[in-house]
Amino acid sequence: DAGVIQSPRHEVTEMGQEVTLRCKPISGHDYLFWYRQTMMRGLELLIYFNNNVPIDDSGMPEDRFSAKMPNASFSTLKIQPSEPRDSAVYFCASSLVLPNVGETGGLPYEQYFGPGTRLTVT
Amino acid sequence: AQTVTQSQPEMSVQEAETVTLSCTYDTSESNYYLFWYKQPPSRQMILVIRQEAYKQQNATENRFSVNFQKAAKSFSLKISDSQLGDTAMYFCAFMTQGAQKLVFGQGTRLTINP
Repeated sequence: DAGVIQSPRHEVTEMGQEVTLRCKPISGHDYLFWYRQTMMRGLELLIYFNNNVPIDDSGMPEDRFSAKMPNASFSTLKIQPSEPRDSAVYFCASSLVLPNVGETGGLPYEQYFGPGTRLTVT
Repeated sequence: AQTVTQSQPEMSVQEAETVTLSCTYDTSESNYYLFWYKQPPSRQMILVIRQEAYKQQNATENRFSVNFQKAAKSFSLKISDSQLGDTAMYFCAFMTQGAQKLVFGQGTRLTINP
């Protein structure tokens, strides 16, 4: 499997512009997470989905942020309008929760992270 | 709310030495998972090791092992025979069983010197 795929890897935009970050989770995974990493606040969970349904968006900073998951293989995180304080690395992660570890060969509850998108808002 | 604290912002050791990274957490839950993630300069988050709270035996993965003290709410990571490739940020993380939400500590920047 190719792992979690994020695009773009880097994004530079001007304040006020709309920014869309994209994520393709690992095939078969039923959970998808969006995190933000900054020097000041560390790694924060923004929102997560289960079977394409948003479960907890309490980490979304404000109405300028929105996330969607139209199908099991694609999610977007949109910022509109963007502000300089939104500059950060945004990670997408996915996981699969199974009752038996042996069925996956891996670990249940392990979140696999994408490479991240570094967003710079000037 | 759960919190995770890593009290060592930076650490530096010589190659082949053993190093221990500290992590404490606060929770009222009895069933949970603890993780150590590594983030090298490439910024890719990589799972190093995990521990289920109901297991008394400390987890081990090759050169990496943990010292899990449930009563003290402590979860330290020991890296034996450290290698240059171990240079990275290390994050301790907590997850309540069934909740799927990871709560991360602030991280420890580990440098392995040749």
